[in-house]
Amino acid sequence: ETGVTQSPTHLIKTRGQQVTLRCSSQSGHNTVSWYQQALGQGPQFIFQYYREEENGRGNFPPRFSGLQFPNYSSELNVNALELDDSALYLCASSQKTGGPGANVLTFGAGSRLTVL
Amino acid sequence: EDQVTQSPEALRLQEGESSSLNCSYTVSGLRGLFWYRQDPGKGPEFLFTLYSAGEEKEKERLKATLTKKESFLHITAPKPEDSATYLCAVQPNSGYSTLTFGKGTMLLVSP
Repeated sequence: ETGVTQSPTHLIKTRGQQVTLRCSSQSGHNTVSWYQQALGQGPQFIFQYYREEENGRGNFPPRFSGLQFPNYSSELNVNALELDDSALYLCASSQKTGGPGANVLTFGAGSRLTVL
Repeated sequence: EDQVTQSPEALRLQEGESSSLNCSYTVSGLRGLFWYRQDPGKGPEFLFTLYSAGEEKEKERLKATLTKKESFLHITAPKPEDSATYLCAVQPNSGYSTLTFGKGTMLLVSP
């Protein structure tokens, strides 16, 4: 059973640029969520995708957008980067339908974004 | 709005010195309370889910308990490899399966 994989692991951007982060979900999972974790803070919910549609969104502006593909992998796109966007971006997959482990989020190792 | 408060922010223990971490929460209908462990530079690793008050779960030196307002993570005779940040999160009954996290407790166990 493969876990959640994210790429790239680290990247540096400058203010105003755009970034795309990628995530492959764990085998058997059909839901992908993205979280932002600033230094010293807990993860904050950005949005969730289920069946290729956004299924919920946290308190993040529209310049944060995403996609889910038919194989359940996902992308997070951030436009017009700001200094405060510097954080660890975590992807988590889960199984939305019932059964053991439903709704338990499995996290990837994250993508560390630095905005200069 | 769902809220999670964890205390203490940081805890330093000697190897073998047992202690407890606290997680206080407010949520509009609890589907589950989750504990995760996070090592530096890595993603959170799932430990436990608790669903109802009175429930307890154990894994090696860790035991999680749940009341209607808080959860405790008891660490018995910790070892240096238990050093990590422990995150508590709540999942509401309504809507999608998102988690609201606390800021975490950073645990350091010295040999």
